Amino acid sequence: DGGITQSPKYLFRKEGQNVTLSCEQNLNHDAMYWYRQDPGQGLRLIYYSQIVNDFQKGDIAEGYSVSREKKESFPLTVTSAQKNPTAFYLCASGKGRDSDTQYFGPGTRLTVL
Amino acid sequence: QKEVEQNSGPLSVPEGAIASLNCTYSDRVSQSFFWYRQYSGKSPELIMSIYSNGDKEDGRFTAQLNKASQYVSLLIRDSQPSDSATYLCAVNWNSNSGYALNFGKGTSLLVTP
Repeated sequence: DGGITQSPKYLFRKEGQNVTLSCEQNLNHDAMYWYRQDPGQGLRLIYYSQIVNDFQKGDIAEGYSVSREKKESFPLTVTSAQKNPTAFYLCASGKGRDSDTQYFGPGTRLTVL
Repeated sequence: QKEVEQNSGPLSVPEGAIASLNCTYSDRVSQSFFWYRQYSGKSPELIMSIYSNGDKEDGRFTAQLNKASQYVSLLIRDSQPSDSATYLCAVNWNSNSGYALNFGKGTSLLVTP
């Protein structure tokens, strides 16, 4: 059963803690993306990766970090440097190269207590 | 600055009517355009992509693209209450590292029985 999975679905964090959001895909896609969605703000790009062991900052990368050690996995760490991390986090993947179509996972809702 | 503009709505149409959703973009070199549907609390779901000027039809959905006017639209024929959702317009941009998408903030559609 192919698709994109994100875990956990809901995550609660205390201020000052780092948390890592998981994103896994079994679609054999080269490209993976992380977005943040706030009410009324649309989707904003955090980081993206077109190939294993390479990634680029998006528009709002400050306070976040990523790794791309495997083609299937693109975890996002929300660090304590991110001042307003409460949001809906969406992971997407795509074939990359000559295709820019993206497909989304179910999302992780992060709340800072 | 790459921008994608959508009217936030809500756009209210009666069941069975045609819903027309509009999007303008600022990057003249954009080549790929996408419409996503997002139900409340869920992740975006790809509806259609369009790459060439003109119309593209898929079932009850028609995407229209006019690159000279930097305008893309989505028509939903025979609107159903289940079409009530937020519709996101996305436009590609090419960086040195590959493709990414810019998203509009979305238009909320309400189909009333």
